[in-house]
Amino acid sequence: QVQLVESGGGLVKPGGSLRLSCAASGFTFSDDYMSWIRQAPGKGLEWVLYISSSGTDISYADAVKGRFTISRDNAKNSMFLQMNSLRAEDTAVYYCARERGGWFGNYFDLWGQGTLVTVSS
Amino acid sequence: DIQMTQSPSSLSASVGDRVTITCRASQSISNYLNWYQQRPGKAPKLLIYAASTLQSGVPSRFSGSGSGTDFILTIGSLQPEDFATYFCQQSRFTPTAFGQGTKVEVK
Repeated sequence: QVQLVESGGGLVKPGGSLRLSCAASGFTFSDDYMSWIRQAPGKGLEWVLYISSSGTDISYADAVKGRFTISRDNAKNSMFLQMNSLRAEDTAVYYCARERGGWFGNYFDLWGQGTLVTVSS
Repeated sequence: DIQMTQSPSSLSASVGDRVTITCRASQSISNYLNWYQQRPGKAPKLLIYAASTLQSGVPSRFSGSGSGTDFILTIGSLQPEDFATYFCQQSRFTPTAFGQGTKVEVK
């Protein structure tokens, strides 16, 4: 069925690294822009980065610029988030989300279940 | 960056009530406004996009209105499964931004 499944979360020390994966199924992954969106415990939603369908266009939130890297492998229907120099404030559930839209704007119409990243010593 | 402010932050309501949630943008975003529902422990779910277009499969008791800076999400008759947190999101400008959320609780 149409779904996104994240993996790779866990406990990491400040300054450490982690790589998240997002596996897509049930749709033509290579057609869609994809994003990572995070949610700190008990807080709201924060967009982190997006990657275009071909992978050539990438945008980062200022909070993660220079530390996080997004990539995708369309042949494997997968997207990745490499997180370096992690900080306590990066602690959150990380969701991958499919972005759709048109002239009326874009929206996130398909979300994974999320994977928890905890940055703590 | 655009700031999105929702009000109220929380509200208490009963099954059958009509509920309205407001979202205000710090500058005009035309109708580039989306609404999501998030149940506890679950991922957000798209309800409405382009301010007033209902996503496929979403019950018709949900409706959206507004343009420019002020938007409203209305739940016509609250159902038990509607007790959740609701977020607005603007997609007019990069970076996209979400409101802080409105929690709809049982009265």
